[in-house]
Amino acid sequence: AQSVTQPDIHITVSEGASLELRCNYSYGATPYLFWYVQSPGQGLQLLLKYFSGDTLVQGIKGFEAEFKRSQSSFNLRKPSVHWSDAAEYFCAVGPNRDDKIIFGKGTRLHILP
Amino acid sequence: GAVVSQHPSRVICKSGTSVKIECRSLDFQATTMFWYRQFPKQSLMLMATSNEGSKATYEQGVEKDKFLINHASLTLSTLTVTSAHPEDSSFYICSARRDRSEAFFGQGTRLTVV
Repeated sequence: AQSVTQPDIHITVSEGASLELRCNYSYGATPYLFWYVQSPGQGLQLLLKYFSGDTLVQGIKGFEAEFKRSQSSFNLRKPSVHWSDAAEYFCAVGPNRDDKIIFGKGTRLHILP
Repeated sequence: GAVVSQHPSRVICKSGTSVKIECRSLDFQATTMFWYRQFPKQSLMLMATSNEGSKATYEQGVEKDKFLINHASLTLSTLTVTSAHPEDSSFYICSARRDRSEAFFGQGTRLTVV
């Protein structure tokens, strides 16, 4: 069965520090992988996506993610976080054969001044 | 990127009444739209998948008579919460798929039933 695991429910980093949010997936074929960000009371905004090709994907707001097939991972990184990056981040995989996108449970990012 | 507009962003209704939420793809045609419900500090729970011109497919445990979904055109899907109760209070999010590669999300609707 397809699934997405985000092991960290909360992550706290200091402003200016580097960030890595973890995502592991289980999928029968080569997946489409996504990272979304959600600010409080808002919808989801796509940060980046991976379909094929270069395994290091650049996204908006200075984020990047690396697809590692051997580890079934798609971790999100940013070299230097800003206070405005505080939000909920969701990793997702799909669409599956039922045409659905499967979301992880999310990681809430807190930024210390 | 493509834009999905969801309206209203917030709504308060009385118990027993119905409320309709609209989801529009503004600059593309969406053959498939999805409705999600999000509980506080939780992930998105898929409620149903709607395809233009056909009946929605509901996820297990979602009451189709309570959550009516209509996908009348390639740019509009509606979710109607019928006979709303306080436990229906939640954050509802729609998404629209332009093709199999990506889904675009609306800004969500905060429903409060009093």
